[in-house]
Amino acid sequence: NAGVTQTPKFRVLKTGQSMTLLCAQDMNHEYMYWYRQDPGMGLRLIHYSVGEGTTAKGEVPDGYNVSRLKKQNFLLGLESAAPSQTSVYFCAITDRGNQPQHFGDGTRLSIL
Amino acid sequence: QKEVEQDPGPLSVPEGAIVSLNCTYSNSAFQYFMWYRQYSRKGPELLMYTYSSGNKEDGRFTAQVDKSSKYISLFIRDSQPSDSATYLCAMSEGSGTYKYIFGTGTRLKVLA
Repeated sequence: NAGVTQTPKFRVLKTGQSMTLLCAQDMNHEYMYWYRQDPGMGLRLIHYSVGEGTTAKGEVPDGYNVSRLKKQNFLLGLESAAPSQTSVYFCAITDRGNQPQHFGDGTRLSIL
Repeated sequence: QKEVEQDPGPLSVPEGAIVSLNCTYSNSAFQYFMWYRQYSRKGPELLMYTYSSGNKEDGRFTAQVDKSSKYISLFIRDSQPSDSATYLCAMSEGSGTYKYIFGTGTRLKVLA
């Protein structure tokens, strides 16, 4: 999806390993979000940011950390990966709180 | 009870049929309503965005919001095999919050 780029697209980790997912946007939007999508559970908000240097917890933040050092980048970190974190992770952006979100194409993460 | 309920399907229809997709919700504070289409291994793509009650039409797609019944619908006319995807509804209270609540999605298959 134009405007939101997620890297990597796919990754396999072993339990206990760490990694960082990157979301980069070129639309100069203030708000950025990290979701996970699991079968039957829809999109669940992990963390979000309402501007450079700010972050906040969402619905399922445990086991994840985030940083937004630059406006265009939002990083999601897994310090010690667990099999329960196997999921598809989506980044979304929006210009204002009541505007629709635009999504990246996701990162498929499998933790063995 | 989930804030947003959406039948997961799958829903199979013949090409050319009118498709009706629905979501119900419990939070009367929701004011902004969105429909997303998600193809396999892709991110959600915004289809329709409406504010408050009423109808909105865009080509073959019509979004309907009935706030009194807490019910939203997406109609697809003259459905095509390329419409085969998962459709997600999403809602937001709007100003003062950055939270979006998503339905779990309805899988639609349009048969040629």
